Amino acid sequence: ELKVEQNPLFLSMQEGKNYTIYCNYSTTSDRLYWYRQDPGKSLESLFVLLSNGAVKQEGRLMASLDTKARLSTLHITAAVHDLSATYFCAVVLMNRDDKIIFGKGTRLHILP
Amino acid sequence: DAGVTQSPTHLIKTRGQQVTLRCSPKSGHDTVSWYQQALGQGPQFIFQYYEEEERQRGNFPDRFSGHQFPNYSSELNVNALLLGDSALYLCASSRGVARQGDYGYTFGSGTRLTVV
Repeated sequence: ELKVEQNPLFLSMQEGKNYTIYCNYSTTSDRLYWYRQDPGKSLESLFVLLSNGAVKQEGRLMASLDTKARLSTLHITAAVHDLSATYFCAVVLMNRDDKIIFGKGTRLHILP
Repeated sequence: DAGVTQSPTHLIKTRGQQVTLRCSPKSGHDTVSWYQQALGQGPQFIFQYYEEEERQRGNFPDRFSGHQFPNYSSELNVNALLLGDSALYLCASSRGVARQGDYGYTFGSGTRLTVV
């Protein structure tokens, strides 16, 4: 059974700092998503990573994927308050496109 | 271009009652997946519908059932509600099987179900 673990689960940081959220998964997968969720809101798609070594960047967020290590990272550069949210990684089972497994999420609080 | 729409947005039910939640997929999408998100947790996969049939199911009891209509909209039904069913229920739509290069899934805003 595929398990997805994120760490840390909670992160409080000051504006201007850099930090990384880690996502480990337990079995082979060929697709990994990162989502953002604001309190009481739905999930906003940030990145989809499809292959080993994939790196994608959008603004202050950069995501990468290492399929051999079964690890994805979401790096935050020079954090700003607007990035405060909960971030989820989600993994698709190999050859089972119709089911995605989410991590528990990382609640990010950026202090102004 | 409308995204995924869910109704109602909020709902309060009593234990033992039954509830129906509704989802209209994004234009051009024909597959609907349902997720349950308990407070402080990640979404848990309930099931997925494609071509009006349930394709895949997560670890949820038979009290959870669904339906997909010819226009691709979907309903989630929960019978004999328990306090533990209180959660945000999210609907996600996609075009067939999410393919490489697609962003895959578009999520609705969810239905907040409270069971008292």
